[in-house]
Amino acid sequence: DAGITQSPRYKITETGRQVTLMCHQTWSHSYMFWYRQDLGHGLRLIYYSAAADITDKGEVPDGYVVSRSKTENFPLTLESATRSQTSVYFCASNDRGRGPLHFGNGTRLTVT
Amino acid sequence: AQKITQTQPGMFVQEKEAVTLDCTYDTSDQSYGLFWYKQPSSGEMIFLIYQGSYDEQNATEGRYSLNFQKARKSANLVISASQLGDSAMYFCAMRELDSGGYQKVTFGTGTKLQVIP
Repeated sequence: DAGITQSPRYKITETGRQVTLMCHQTWSHSYMFWYRQDLGHGLRLIYYSAAADITDKGEVPDGYVVSRSKTENFPLTLESATRSQTSVYFCASNDRGRGPLHFGNGTRLTVT
Repeated sequence: AQKITQTQPGMFVQEKEAVTLDCTYDTSDQSYGLFWYKQPSSGEMIFLIYQGSYDEQNATEGRYSLNFQKARKSANLVISASQLGDSAMYFCAMRELDSGGYQKVTFGTGTKLQVIP
C-alpha cells in the first residue's frame, strides 16, 4: 500500500540498549522528518532530511542518530536508550518542501 | 526560543458554536508557511489547513479557517459550527528554511479541544 509506514508500532526496551525505529514511505518524497511527542511538549523535531544523504539536527537531536541512504527509508536509532526517551515517535514526509506533512501512525517506545 | 506558541492547553466549546484556537509564531524569514493539524484520541495526525506567508487571502477549508495576521505573527484556527467529532488535540506548525535552504517544520505544544453536547 502506498503511504508512510513506521515499525514497530510498540517497543519496550531496557536502558542502555540500542534500538532502531523504522520509517518507510512509498511516495518518493524528498523530505522526511522525525518527531517525538510528549505530554506538555507537543511534537518536537529530532532530525530531518531533505534528500538521501542530507540530514540535519532538529530541536532535540541528542541521543539519536539517523541515516538516509535511500530516499524511501529514514531510520532513527537510539544508541543507548534512556528513560527520558520514552515517548511516541512520529515520522513524516513531504515532497520537495511543498504541501502538508504526511505522518506515519507512530511508534510508542517505552524504555525501562 | 519557542518558534510556535499555543497558549491554550485546553478549551471547551459548546456543540454548534464557533471556537478560535490561538497560535503565534516567531520567524525572521519573509517566506514561511503555517499549518494546523488535528490529532484525535486514536493518535493519527490529520492535516487541516495551510497558509503561506505570501497568501493574501486567509485560508479556508470547509468549517476550518485560518485567521492570519502577519504583523502580529498570529495564525489562529477558527472552527465554525463545532461538532462532537472535533474533540481532539490541535497543533499549529510552521515551515521555514534553515541556514542551508532546507525546509524545517516545527510544531507547537498543542491545544486540547473538547466539544460539549
